[in-house]
Amino acid sequence: ETGVTQSPTHLIKTRGQQVTLRCSSQSGHNTVSWYQQALGQGPQFIFQYYREEENGRGNFPPRFSGLQFPNYSSELNVNALELDDSALYLCASSLESGLNTGELFFGEGSRLTVL
Amino acid sequence: KQEVTQIPAALSVPEGENLVLNCSFTDSAIYNLQWFRQDPGKGLTSLLLIQSSQREQTSGRLNASLDKSSGRSTLYIAASQPGDSATYLCAVTTGGANNLFFGTGTRLTVIP
Repeated sequence: ETGVTQSPTHLIKTRGQQVTLRCSSQSGHNTVSWYQQALGQGPQFIFQYYREEENGRGNFPPRFSGLQFPNYSSELNVNALELDDSALYLCASSLESGLNTGELFFGEGSRLTVL
Repeated sequence: KQEVTQIPAALSVPEGENLVLNCSFTDSAIYNLQWFRQDPGKGLTSLLLIQSSQREQTSGRLNASLDKSSGRSTLYIAASQPGDSATYLCAVTTGGANNLFFGTGTRLTVIP
């Protein structure tokens, strides 16, 4: 069984730039969620994708956007980077049945530093 | 809005000791509660998932309990080992939402 994989593991950008983070979901999972974890904090929900559609969004501005592909992999795009975007970005996959939320399995994360 | 609190923020114990980590949440209308482990700079590893209809779950030396009506969960770790040193996070899924609400975690250090 293949787990959740994320790339890149680390990256450094400058303020105003754009970044794309990638996630491959665990085999058999149809839903991907993205979380932002600032240093010393718990993860904060950005959004979730189910069957290639956004299926819920947290309190993040529109410059945070995403995609889910037919193979259930996903991208997180952040435009006009700000210093406060520096964080660990976590991708989680799950199998949603429409009845209740399944157990989430997380990747190792992408560490973004904005200078 | 759901708020999750974990106490204590940090805990140091000698090897072999049994310990309890606490988690509380403000909205008792949850679907499930998960406990995670996070090593420094790493992703989250799921430890235990408790559905809202369940009272506890066990895996090896770990036991998690859930009291939904009082908005509390505990994670009990038996016979702690230095390898248990990590940050432990609890998270809940609330009815009507499809995301996890996390606490800020308890950083555990087990001293050999």
